[in-house]
Amino acid sequence: ETGVTQTPRHLVMGMTNKKSLKCEQHLGHNAMYWYKQSAKKPLELMFVYNFKEQTENNSVPSRFSPECPNSSHLFLHLHTLQPEDSALYLCASSQETSATSSYNEQFFGPGTRLTVL
Amino acid sequence: AQKVTQAQTEISVVEKEDVTLDCVYETRDTTYYLFWYKQPPSGELVFLIRRNSFDEQNEISGRYSWNFQKSTSSFNFTITASQVVDSAVYFCALSDSTTGANSKLTFGKGITLSVRP
Repeated sequence: ETGVTQTPRHLVMGMTNKKSLKCEQHLGHNAMYWYKQSAKKPLELMFVYNFKEQTENNSVPSRFSPECPNSSHLFLHLHTLQPEDSALYLCASSQETSATSSYNEQFFGPGTRLTVL
Repeated sequence: AQKVTQAQTEISVVEKEDVTLDCVYETRDTTYYLFWYKQPPSGELVFLIRRNSFDEQNEISGRYSWNFQKSTSSFNFTITASQVVDSAVYFCALSDSTTGANSKLTFGKGITLSVRP
């Protein structure tokens, strides 16, 4: 496997279900991100992890729960979602070079297309 | 606050035509980076280019070229002799120091390019 992979590619779930999205990066990067892409909206940053530590939670509802066990893996645990949460969820990674701002490009996975019924 | 505006929402051209995708940005920082990403129907965002604010040289890569003009805060992308495979959504993004640590990107809404045979 190369680059950033995401599973599953498609997911349909009911509002009472619990599911998880998985992201794995094979690039040796130290930062990982979750984005939400809804129709007709810009990409919305949800969470940022830097060296396994969460450094950003962009006011995301608690029904989305991220987990980063190591620098290569990132999960997004989902429970009691709403239909408006239906979207493409994209994972990305980058190589951060310092504790202060960095400007390195992010590499994206193919996304998980989530439909909440 | 940083902002990226892609005023064009959808563009349709015939194969072999040249097409320019516009991007205008706002930032108070003197150090920042600009990016273009391509999102084909498969969903994955593909990194195309990163330019820093101190390098205003235009860049050409095959059929792709970028025109960075600080005076107008624009970073436009031109595809020469477009091909059907260029059909995708194209995103312009900005990263500056006000976004804090990590390569946090502010994306525009994207431009849907359709190239007809």
